[in-house]
Amino acid sequence: AQKVTQAQTEISVVEKEDVTLDCVYETRDTTYYLFWYKQPPSGELVFLIRRNSFDEQNEISGRYSWNFQKSTSSFNFTITASQVVDSAVYFCALSEAGSSNTGKLIFGQGTTLQVKP
Amino acid sequence: NAGVTQTPKFRILKIGQSMTLQCTQDMNHNYMYWYRQDPGMGLKLIYYSVGAGITDKGEVPNGYNVSRSTTEDFPLRLELAAPSQTSVYFCASSYYWSHEQYFGPGTRLTVT
Repeated sequence: AQKVTQAQTEISVVEKEDVTLDCVYETRDTTYYLFWYKQPPSGELVFLIRRNSFDEQNEISGRYSWNFQKSTSSFNFTITASQVVDSAVYFCALSEAGSSNTGKLIFGQGTTLQVKP
Repeated sequence: NAGVTQTPKFRILKIGQSMTLQCTQDMNHNYMYWYRQDPGMGLKLIYYSVGAGITDKGEVPNGYNVSRSTTEDFPLRLELAAPSQTSVYFCASSYYWSHEQYFGPGTRLTVT
């Protein structure tokens, strides 16, 4: 059965610290997509990244980086030199091709990141 | 280009009342979705649509209904509201099933 686990419920760091948010997924499909979304205090959901199961290259976008490892079924997200504006709830999500290509997202429970000045 | 819009932003319902949550997207996306987010939880899929005239149930469809008569609109109907339906409701759309979903701002619903 498909599942996404974000074991860290809450993380608190001081500004400029690096922080890694963990995401572990379960799926029987060989074709799937992984996503990260940010939900700031205002409540909207902001797309951050999409990764397909055939591309294990790590990705860097400014202070954000993602580490995808199929061997451990993990898709971790690192923020370098965190800033107060990074304070938000971060969600990892999974979409499987086996669900008849419907794009249904399975979300983790989210990690609340608090960055203190 | 407004993206995904939802109305209303907030609503308080009494037990047993009904209402429709509106969702419209202007990106010509075929795929549309309704999720609910309970406090401290991730989002759960209620219903989805892969194109006009085609809808199907998600993980938590009980107590809800949808329709998709146009590409742009995907309203969610709540019949006989119950306290368990107190939640934040998000509508989303995507260009293709494997692409990222764009979310509306959400509707905060309280049933008392």
